[in-house]
Order: sequence, then structure tokens, then C-alpha cells
Amino acid sequence: AQSVTQLGSHVSVSEGALVLLRCNYSSSVPPYLFWYVQYPNQGLQLLLKYTTGATLVKGINGFEAEFKKSETSFHLTKPSAHMSDAAEYFCAVTPYNQGGKLIFGQGTELSVKP
Amino acid sequence: DADVTQTPRNRITKTGKRIMLECSQTKGHDRMYWYRQDPGLGLRLIYYSFDVKDINKGEISDGYSVSRQAQAKFSLSLESAIPNQTALYFCATSDRATYNEQFFGPGTRLTVL
Repeated sequence: AQSVTQLGSHVSVSEGALVLLRCNYSSSVPPYLFWYVQYPNQGLQLLLKYTTGATLVKGINGFEAEFKKSETSFHLTKPSAHMSDAAEYFCAVTPYNQGGKLIFGQGTELSVKP
Repeated sequence: DADVTQTPRNRITKTGKRIMLECSQTKGHDRMYWYRQDPGLGLRLIYYSFDVKDINKGEISDGYSVSRQAQAKFSLSLESAIPNQTALYFCATSDRATYNEQFFGPGTRLTVL
């Protein structure tokens, strides 16, 4: 069965520091990959997605992620953290042959210190 | 106006009660989903529907049922609520044309006492 693993349930960075949130998936074929963000008391909002083509994907709010097939990874990065980036982040995959369903990782809560 | 709406936003109920959570969307999407979110577990799929006549169980459907009343409406019912169904519930929609990117409602926080 497909699965998604996010390394670290909590990540804390200082304002201005690099943000790196890790995501690995298990799949025999490349799936579609997504990162969602959830701000307190809100629903999930799409940050970025990889479907086909360029493996470095840019999203909203300065985030980007790189699909690495050989490592089955889709890590999320942002060069300089802002206080407003504090939220929970979810990596998700759509299995290639099960169109429509999303499988989510357990989430990573990002804290940003002043 | 929000594209995906959920009612109610918060609900407290007692064990054994029947509860219905409603979801409506104005995005024109044919696919709709119900998830529950629990701390440390991410989101888990309860039911999904690819059109009005197509409803499928997700990974945690026991204790839940759904109804797709129209393309724009998808309701989740707890026939006899139990405390371990206390969670945050999300409805989502998608369209196959956009690689199944899902759009989420604001969530319903359900507490079963």
C-alpha cells in the first residue's frame, strides 16, 4: 500500500532561517505529490504540487519542493522563514492508479521563533 | 464567498446520538471527499464520491455513512456517535482535470461526550 512519511512532527526555526520539511513516499511508480498548509482553525490550503515535468516546483509564499525519484522524496523548503509561516504542513500523494484519492502524511508543525 | 462550505462548524453531542455533517460546494467539481483529522495521524479518508451515483468507502468508514444528494452536496452521518469519533472533519472537492488537487472546506469540530 502507498504511504507517506513526514520526518519530524515538530520543527522549530528562527525567523530568517532556512525551512526544511521532509517527506518521503512509497510507490512503485511516480505519483502526483502535494504539500498543503493548515493555519490554526482553518482548512487545508494547497502550497504546491508536482504532477509531471520540471522536478523543482515553486509554490505560494516563497515555498518550493523538489521531486527526487531516486530518493522517493518531496521535501519542502523556504530560504527564509517568516513568523507568518507558523502552521501545520501536510505532504500528500495521489497514487498513480487510484486517481482522486489523497494519502496524507501525519503532518509537521512548524514553529518560527523571533 | 467560500467555495466549499461545511455546517455546522462546531458540534457537541452525546454518545448514541445521530449526527449529520453537511458539505456544499460551488466549484462545479464532480468529486467530493470526507476526511477526519486527529492529532499526529494526519487526515484519513472516510468516504469519497466521484459522481452522484458513485460512492466509495475510504480507509476508516466503519461507523459512518454518506449521502450525495446532488453534485454540489455531500453529507456525512454518524448513526450512533461514540467518543472516539471526536475529531475535526473536513470535506474536500476535486476535478480530474487538475490532477486531483483537492480544495478543502473550513472543517467541523465534533465532540462526542
